[in-house]
Amino acid sequence: SFELTQPPSASVAPGKTARITCGGNNIGTKSVHWYQQKPGQAPVLVVRYDSDRPSGIPDRFSGSKSGNTATLTISRVEAGDEADYHCQVWDSGSDHRVVFGGGTKLTVL
Amino acid sequence: QVQLQQWGAGLLRPSETLSLTCAVYGASFSDNYWSWIRQPPGKGLEWIGEINHSGTTNYNPSLKSRFTISVDTSKNQFSLKLNSVTAADTAVYFCARGRRPPQRDYFDYWGQGTLVTVSS
Repeated sequence: SFELTQPPSASVAPGKTARITCGGNNIGTKSVHWYQQKPGQAPVLVVRYDSDRPSGIPDRFSGSKSGNTATLTISRVEAGDEADYHCQVWDSGSDHRVVFGGGTKLTVL
Repeated sequence: QVQLQQWGAGLLRPSETLSLTCAVYGASFSDNYWSWIRQPPGKGLEWIGEINHSGTTNYNPSLKSRFTISVDTSKNQFSLKLNSVTAADTAVYFCARGRRPPQRDYFDYWGQGTLVTVSS
């Protein structure tokens, strides 16, 4: 079955750029969506369709995709960006199901 | 303003039934599919399944049809039921607004989450 792979953790200093990856076989053929989740809260959609930002999401958040890897980039990182980040796709193969990556804990140093 | 408000029992004993309900406010209930997603403590998100206003459901095949999702369009509510819970079902359960057919895409509004703990 289709799987998405994320690094369990990442760290970045304030003001620097964080890059969080999401890998999956043939991910280039699927639309990737990204969520930010702070402790005790529901996830918030920050990037949809690989690189589109929903209304209200700062332009410091951007998404891209190349080969079998999608990347969420957070520029000019702030302390408030410390959170878990999850990628998500629809697997429209034989199973027709939603698949999430395991999540990446971003620590702001 | 779209809001999803969910409720249900938070502490269950093994073999009991999990029952959660999610009410939708400020959105057209018939335009989207509505999903349940869970998150075990310290782990990632797992999609359980979805339903539309007509009662059409799709479930995560990995969960082996243990769950039942139903809808009450008169109240703009949808529900989740799981019989015979075990400790492995301990998780935060979220309801969420999902795709607008024919798209298969993202979840843009979420409920606040309900922690369901299964313990004897």
